[in-house]
Amino acid sequence: KQEVTQIPAALSVPEGENLVLNCSFTDSAIYNLQWFRQDPGKGLTSLLLIQSSQREQTSGRLNASLDKSSGRSTLYIAASQPGDSATYLCAVRGLYNAGNMLTFGGGTRLMVKP
Amino acid sequence: DAGVTQSPTHLIKTRGQQVTLRCSPKSGHDTVSWYQQALGQGPQFIFQYYEEEERQRGNFPDRFSGHQFPNYSSELNVNALLLGDSALYLCASSWTGVESPLHFGNGTRLTVT
Repeated sequence: KQEVTQIPAALSVPEGENLVLNCSFTDSAIYNLQWFRQDPGKGLTSLLLIQSSQREQTSGRLNASLDKSSGRSTLYIAASQPGDSATYLCAVRGLYNAGNMLTFGGGTRLMVKP
Repeated sequence: DAGVTQSPTHLIKTRGQQVTLRCSPKSGHDTVSWYQQALGQGPQFIFQYYEEEERQRGNFPDRFSGHQFPNYSSELNVNALLLGDSALYLCASSWTGVESPLHFGNGTRLTVT
């Protein structure tokens, strides 16, 4: 059974810092890994999708890497801003799922202080 | 282009009652998935519908059931509500393709008292 873990569970940083969020998964047989952002009480916004054959994806100040063999992904946020404050979730899609079910981690709650 | 829309946004029910949540997928998407997100936790997969049939199911009891209509919209039904069913229920849509990313709605907040 796939298990996804995110460390740290919560993070508070001053504005302008570069930061790294970690995601680990137990079964390396995945199609892809996706990073989401969730604002309080809201739905999920997709940030980056990395296919299993890829090593990283970049979008603006965000960079996500994937090391499938070791079961790890990192989300790097450059020059953090107060508007980045949210919960960040990673999710993997297993290789042997009939559908495109995602298994989520518990999330990292990020607070960026002005 | 409308994204995934869910209704209602909030709902309060009493233990033992039944509830129906609704979801309209993003335009052009044919697959709908439902997730339950308890407070402070990541979403948990409930089930997925494609071509009006349940294609995959997570570890949820039979009290949770669903339906997909010919226009790809979907309903989630929960019978005999328990206090532990209180959560944010998220709907996600996608193409059926294996590499298709999921697009999520803003969810329905269900409170069971």
